[in-house]
Amino acid sequence: DTEVTQTPKHLVMGMTNKKSLKCEQHMGHRAMYWYKQKAKKPPELMFVYSYEKLSINESVPSRFSPECPNSSLLNLHLHALQPEDSALYLCASSQAITVAGNQPQHFGDGTRLSIL
Amino acid sequence: SQKIEQNSEALNIQEGKTATLTCNYTNYSPAYLQWYRQDPGRGPVFLLLIRENEKEKRKERLKVTFDTTLKQSLFHITASQPADSATYLCALVFGNTGKLIFGQGTTLQVKP
Repeated sequence: DTEVTQTPKHLVMGMTNKKSLKCEQHMGHRAMYWYKQKAKKPPELMFVYSYEKLSINESVPSRFSPECPNSSLLNLHLHALQPEDSALYLCASSQAITVAGNQPQHFGDGTRLSIL
Repeated sequence: SQKIEQNSEALNIQEGKTATLTCNYTNYSPAYLQWYRQDPGRGPVFLLLIRENEKEKRKERLKVTFDTTLKQSLFHITASQPADSATYLCALVFGNTGKLIFGQGTTLQVKP
Protein backbone atom coordinates (compact mmCIF):
# COMPACT_ATOMS: atom_id res chain seq x y z
CA ASP A 1 0.00 0.00 0.00
CA THR A 2 1.22 3.47 -0.85
CA GLU A 3 1.18 6.34 1.64
CA VAL A 4 -0.35 8.66 -0.93
CA THR A 5 -3.98 7.80 -1.55
CA GLN A 6 -5.73 8.75 -4.78
CA THR A 7 -9.44 8.48 -5.52
CA PRO A 8 -11.10 7.33 -7.61
CA LYS A 9 -8.89 4.60 -9.09
CA HIS A 10 -10.79 4.70 -12.36
CA LEU A 11 -12.93 7.44 -13.91
CA VAL A 12 -14.85 7.51 -17.17
CA MET A 13 -16.36 10.84 -18.16
CA GLY A 14 -17.84 12.58 -21.11
CA MET A 15 -16.37 15.69 -22.64
CA THR A 16 -19.04 17.91 -21.07
CA ASN A 17 -18.77 16.50 -17.54
CA LYS A 18 -17.17 18.08 -14.49
CA LYS A 19 -15.32 15.79 -12.11
CA SER A 20 -12.54 15.97 -9.54
CA LEU A 21 -9.58 13.80 -8.68
CA LYS A 22 -8.49 13.63 -5.05
CA CYS A 23 -5.16 12.98 -3.41
CA GLU A 24 -4.34 12.68 0.29
CA GLN A 25 -1.15 12.19 2.28
CA HIS A 26 -0.51 12.12 6.02
CA MET A 27 3.29 12.11 6.02
CA GLY A 28 3.54 15.80 6.91
CA HIS A 29 4.87 16.62 3.47
CA ARG A 30 4.64 20.27 2.40
CA ALA A 31 5.06 19.79 -1.34
CA MET A 32 2.52 18.06 -3.58
CA TYR A 33 2.51 17.37 -7.29
CA TRP A 34 0.26 16.32 -10.17
CA TYR A 35 1.68 14.30 -13.07
CA LYS A 36 0.12 12.95 -16.25
CA GLN A 37 1.31 9.64 -17.67
CA LYS A 38 0.40 8.22 -21.05
CA ALA A 39 0.93 4.55 -21.88
CA LYS A 40 4.59 3.55 -22.22
CA LYS A 41 5.74 7.11 -21.45
CA PRO A 42 7.25 8.58 -18.29
CA PRO A 43 5.24 10.79 -15.94
CA GLU A 44 5.09 14.43 -17.02
CA LEU A 45 4.82 17.16 -14.42
CA MET A 46 1.66 19.28 -14.49
CA PHE A 47 1.58 21.26 -11.22
CA VAL A 48 3.64 21.77 -8.07
CA TYR A 49 2.28 23.06 -4.78
CA SER A 50 4.64 24.21 -2.06
CA TYR A 51 3.16 25.09 1.35
CA GLU A 52 -0.32 25.02 -0.20
CA LYS A 53 0.61 27.60 -2.84
CA LEU A 54 0.87 26.86 -6.55
CA SER A 55 4.54 27.23 -7.49
CA ILE A 56 4.69 25.58 -10.92
CA ASN A 57 2.11 25.27 -13.70
CA GLU A 58 3.67 23.54 -16.69
CA SER A 59 1.48 25.39 -19.20
CA VAL A 60 -1.40 23.05 -18.49
CA PRO A 61 -4.71 23.86 -20.28
CA SER A 62 -7.27 25.63 -18.11
CA ARG A 63 -9.64 22.68 -18.34
CA PHE A 64 -7.44 21.26 -15.56
CA SER A 65 -7.74 23.25 -12.33
CA PRO A 66 -5.68 22.26 -9.28
CA GLU A 67 -6.57 23.07 -5.70
CA CYS A 68 -4.75 22.52 -2.42
CA PRO A 69 -7.26 23.04 0.42
CA ASN A 70 -4.74 22.11 3.13
CA SER A 71 -1.34 20.52 3.56
CA SER A 72 -2.73 16.97 3.32
CA LEU A 73 -5.09 17.30 0.37
CA LEU A 74 -4.69 17.99 -3.32
CA ASN A 75 -7.49 18.09 -5.86
CA LEU A 76 -7.56 18.27 -9.62
CA HIS A 77 -10.80 19.64 -11.05
CA LEU A 78 -11.64 18.53 -14.56
CA HIS A 79 -14.00 20.24 -17.00
CA ALA A 80 -14.61 19.92 -20.74
CA LEU A 81 -11.79 17.45 -21.24
CA GLN A 82 -10.74 16.08 -24.62
CA PRO A 83 -10.18 12.43 -25.62
CA GLU A 84 -6.40 13.06 -25.67
CA ASP A 85 -6.58 13.82 -21.95
CA SER A 86 -7.18 10.13 -21.27
CA ALA A 87 -4.22 9.02 -19.18
CA LEU A 88 -3.06 7.94 -15.73
CA TYR A 89 -3.00 10.93 -13.38
CA LEU A 90 -0.49 10.57 -10.58
CA CYS A 91 -0.23 12.54 -7.38
CA ALA A 92 3.01 12.75 -5.41
CA SER A 93 4.25 14.40 -2.26
CA SER A 94 7.63 15.21 -0.75
CA GLN A 95 9.28 16.98 2.12
CA ALA A 96 9.48 20.73 1.65
CA ILE A 97 11.29 21.72 -1.52
CA THR A 98 14.89 22.68 -0.78
CA VAL A 99 17.51 24.57 -2.70
CA ALA A 100 19.40 21.31 -3.09
CA GLY A 101 16.44 19.52 -4.69
CA ASN A 102 17.18 16.23 -3.00
CA GLN A 103 13.75 15.26 -1.79
CA PRO A 104 12.41 11.91 -3.02
CA GLN A 105 8.83 11.99 -4.17
CA HIS A 106 6.21 9.55 -2.91
CA PHE A 107 3.63 8.63 -5.54
CA GLY A 108 0.10 7.36 -5.32
CA ASP A 109 -1.11 4.65 -7.70
CA GLY A 110 -2.98 7.14 -9.81
CA THR A 111 -6.42 7.64 -11.30
CA ARG A 112 -6.97 6.01 -14.69
CA LEU A 113 -9.03 8.57 -16.61
CA SER A 114 -10.91 7.81 -19.80
CA ILE A 115 -12.66 10.53 -21.78
CA LEU A 116 -15.45 9.40 -24.05
CA SER B 1 16.82 22.49 -23.20
CA GLN B 2 17.58 19.85 -20.60
CA LYS B 3 17.40 16.29 -21.81
CA ILE B 4 17.56 12.95 -20.02
CA GLU B 5 17.83 9.67 -21.87
CA GLN B 6 17.80 6.03 -20.91
CA ASN B 7 19.59 4.06 -23.55
CA SER B 8 17.44 0.95 -23.65
CA GLU B 9 13.67 0.70 -23.80
CA ALA B 10 13.85 -2.95 -22.81
CA LEU B 11 16.41 -5.24 -21.22
CA ASN B 12 16.04 -9.01 -20.88
CA ILE B 13 18.37 -10.95 -18.62
CA GLN B 14 18.59 -14.33 -16.96
CA GLU B 15 17.90 -14.76 -13.26
CA GLY B 16 21.03 -14.43 -11.16
CA LYS B 17 22.81 -12.12 -13.59
CA THR B 18 23.54 -8.42 -13.04
CA ALA B 19 21.29 -5.94 -14.81
CA THR B 20 22.89 -2.62 -15.79
CA LEU B 21 20.74 0.30 -16.86
CA THR B 22 22.11 3.57 -18.28
CA CYS B 23 20.90 7.13 -17.87
CA ASN B 24 22.48 10.06 -19.73
CA TYR B 25 21.67 13.74 -19.45
CA THR B 26 22.59 16.89 -21.35
CA ASN B 27 22.41 20.66 -20.96
CA TYR B 28 22.25 20.49 -17.18
CA SER B 29 24.43 19.84 -14.17
CA PRO B 30 22.19 18.31 -11.51
CA ALA B 31 23.16 18.22 -7.87
CA TYR B 32 21.19 14.99 -7.48
CA LEU B 33 19.92 12.15 -9.59
CA GLN B 34 17.15 9.78 -8.52
CA TRP B 35 16.05 6.30 -9.58
CA TYR B 36 12.48 4.98 -9.37
CA ARG B 37 10.78 1.66 -10.07
CA GLN B 38 7.33 1.46 -11.64
CA ASP B 39 5.21 -1.66 -11.86
CA PRO B 40 2.29 -1.90 -14.32
CA GLY B 41 -0.74 0.01 -13.05
CA ARG B 42 1.15 1.46 -10.09
CA GLY B 43 2.85 4.75 -9.32
CA PRO B 44 6.66 5.07 -9.33
CA VAL B 45 8.46 4.03 -6.16
CA PHE B 46 11.62 5.82 -5.07
CA LEU B 47 14.70 3.58 -4.90
CA LEU B 48 17.90 5.58 -4.59
CA LEU B 49 19.25 9.10 -4.74
CA ILE B 50 22.85 10.01 -5.49
CA ARG B 51 24.61 13.36 -5.09
CA GLU B 52 26.99 14.84 -7.63
CA ASN B 53 29.97 14.38 -5.31
CA GLU B 54 29.16 10.72 -4.65
CA LYS B 55 30.68 8.26 -7.08
CA GLU B 56 28.62 5.31 -5.94
CA LYS B 57 25.70 4.47 -3.67
CA ARG B 58 24.45 1.04 -2.60
CA LYS B 59 21.25 -0.35 -1.13
CA GLU B 60 21.02 -4.10 -0.72
CA ARG B 61 21.33 -5.53 -4.27
CA LEU B 62 21.12 -2.12 -5.90
CA LYS B 63 24.06 0.08 -6.86
CA VAL B 64 24.04 3.48 -8.53
CA THR B 65 26.99 5.38 -9.95
CA PHE B 66 27.12 9.02 -11.00
CA ASP B 67 29.77 10.34 -13.40
CA THR B 68 29.36 14.10 -13.79
CA THR B 69 32.13 14.22 -16.42
CA LEU B 70 30.35 11.76 -18.67
CA LYS B 71 26.94 13.12 -17.55
CA GLN B 72 25.87 9.57 -16.89
CA SER B 73 24.41 7.38 -14.16
CA LEU B 74 24.49 3.60 -14.13
CA PHE B 75 21.99 1.52 -12.14
CA HIS B 76 22.93 -2.06 -11.29
CA ILE B 77 20.83 -4.87 -9.86
CA THR B 78 23.00 -7.79 -8.78
CA ALA B 79 21.74 -11.37 -8.43
CA SER B 80 18.61 -10.37 -10.31
CA GLN B 81 15.30 -12.11 -9.61
CA PRO B 82 12.05 -12.36 -11.60
CA ALA B 83 10.50 -10.05 -8.96
CA ASP B 84 12.89 -7.31 -10.16
CA SER B 85 11.00 -7.20 -13.47
CA ALA B 86 9.60 -3.67 -13.79
CA THR B 87 10.23 -0.35 -15.50
CA TYR B 88 13.08 1.66 -14.02
CA LEU B 89 13.11 5.44 -14.36
CA CYS B 90 15.93 7.86 -13.75
CA ALA B 91 15.03 11.42 -12.86
CA LEU B 92 16.61 14.82 -12.35
CA VAL B 93 15.32 17.51 -10.03
CA PHE B 94 15.82 21.06 -11.18
CA GLY B 95 17.28 23.10 -8.36
CA ASN B 96 14.84 24.45 -5.81
CA THR B 97 11.70 23.96 -7.90
CA GLY B 98 10.79 20.38 -7.01
CA LYS B 99 10.33 19.81 -10.75
CA LEU B 100 11.21 16.19 -11.52
CA ILE B 101 12.08 15.27 -15.10
CA PHE B 102 12.05 11.56 -15.93
CA GLY B 103 13.91 9.59 -18.54
CA GLN B 104 11.86 7.38 -20.84
CA GLY B 105 12.41 4.35 -18.62
CA THR B 106 13.90 0.91 -19.19
CA THR B 107 11.65 -2.11 -18.86
CA LEU B 108 13.61 -4.93 -17.28
CA GLN B 109 12.50 -8.53 -17.72
CA VAL B 110 14.28 -11.14 -15.58
CA LYS B 111 13.67 -14.67 -16.81
CA PRO B 112 13.84 -17.68 -14.50
